[in-house]
Amino acid sequence: EIVLTQSPGTLSLSPGERATLSCRASQTVSSYLAWYQQKPGQAPRLVIYGASSRATGIPDRFSGSGSGTDFTLTISSLEPEDFAVYYCHQYGVAPIAFGGGTKVEI
Amino acid sequence: QVQLQESGPGLVKPSETLSLTCAVSGYSISSGYFWAWVRQPPGKGLEWIASVSRDGKTDYNPSLKTRLTISMDTSKNQFSLTLSSVTAADTAVYYCGRRYGDSRHFFDFWGQGIKVTVSS
Repeated sequence: EIVLTQSPGTLSLSPGERATLSCRASQTVSSYLAWYQQKPGQAPRLVIYGASSRATGIPDRFSGSGSGTDFTLTISSLEPEDFAVYYCHQYGVAPIAFGGGTKVEI
Repeated sequence: QVQLQESGPGLVKPSETLSLTCAVSGYSISSGYFWAWVRQPPGKGLEWIASVSRDGKTDYNPSLKTRLTISMDTSKNQFSLTLSSVTAADTAVYYCGRRYGDSRHFFDFWGQGIKVTVSS
């Protein structure tokens, strides 16, 4: 089973700053990597799929990169609504799995 | 717009069976893709539980497989999950979702989640 390790666990930043979140897979998942945003009391929301494709309605300050085992989610300039927990998800190799999450806090 | 809505008991006794249903609107589940359950224990991350495809093919989390059944009811456009022999460790918010894609499938739509507590 593939294990996804997200770092850092918590990212403390201010609005306007750049956020860089990492997700590392224990084995290659090709580009079958998605990122989700979750706010308290809400369901996850798809942000990125296929490692680098933005989901519908996601602003272009969000970008994803990487392939194989190392992936990055970048938020170029944080808006107040971006403070949330972000999870990576590999869907390339069964069983599918989620990372442990990175909390982006003010 | 695809919408999903979970339903089921909010409280289940230890050793009993948890049954949840996800009603889907805006898309026919028999048309394609995969339909799945994910859970999130209090204060923790997401855990995939099970998936079912439009032709009834099922896939289970190996750590839970012996206690799980996922099924579809295309006449009602809904799918269901049963988890047997529950313990306090099964306390979580349970989400249903659609897994979308060509050969591999990520989650593009999610239900709002249902909180399930296992307690006597």
